[in-house]
Amino acid sequence: QKEVEQNSGPLSVPEGAIASLNCTYSDRGSQSFFWYRQYSGKSPELIMFIYSNGDKEDGRFTAQLNKASQYVSLLIRDSQPSDSATYLCAVKQDRGSTLGRLYFGRGTQLTVWP
Amino acid sequence: DAGITQSPRHKVTETGTPVTLRCHQTENHRYMYWYRQDPGHGLRLIHYSYGVKDTDKGEVSDGYSVSRSKTEDFLLTLESATSSQTSVYFCAISGSGTSGSNEQYFGPGTRLTVT
Repeated sequence: QKEVEQNSGPLSVPEGAIASLNCTYSDRGSQSFFWYRQYSGKSPELIMFIYSNGDKEDGRFTAQLNKASQYVSLLIRDSQPSDSATYLCAVKQDRGSTLGRLYFGRGTQLTVWP
Repeated sequence: DAGITQSPRHKVTETGTPVTLRCHQTENHRYMYWYRQDPGHGLRLIHYSYGVKDTDKGEVSDGYSVSRSKTEDFLLTLESATSSQTSVYFCAISGSGTSGSNEQYFGPGTRLTVT
């Protein structure tokens, strides 16, 4: 069983703060990591992906990956009320019969209050 | 959106009836997936396809079958719907290639209620 765990939340931060979302995974063979944002009643939307150790920045979003610790995080700087959503961490194993399959965490609900 | 549509978007059906959900893509992506999303369980893979007529089971495939007769369409069938299959169903697509290019994009979802 390939497990992906996210901090349970809900997470509540004030507008302008940094929101930190965390994810750990059990399978050391995992090579690709994704963050999705899902608004209530909508479908998941891919916002970040990271494949190498270190940081990857895109606008206000930074994904951080540490394969040795089996840990991936998403930082949202200057949080806005429009960032209020559930954030899903997904992990992909890139070998064997599970090629192409994603394993999702249960999500962390983020609320940014004005 | 990544050129993915799902139909119907909402459906209410009775226990024991067959139901087919359709996913249609205009991106010519090789891989297609069906997920269900339930409170407390997150997204779980039902079936996926890695090419026309090539499909495989996911982690929650019991009670579901799929077919893919052409690249753009992936059908999910509930042969005899049960109340436990009440859920939101998402289709996703991804391209072929190396492990670094396999991002998945989701369709708008179908909300299915089995009474």
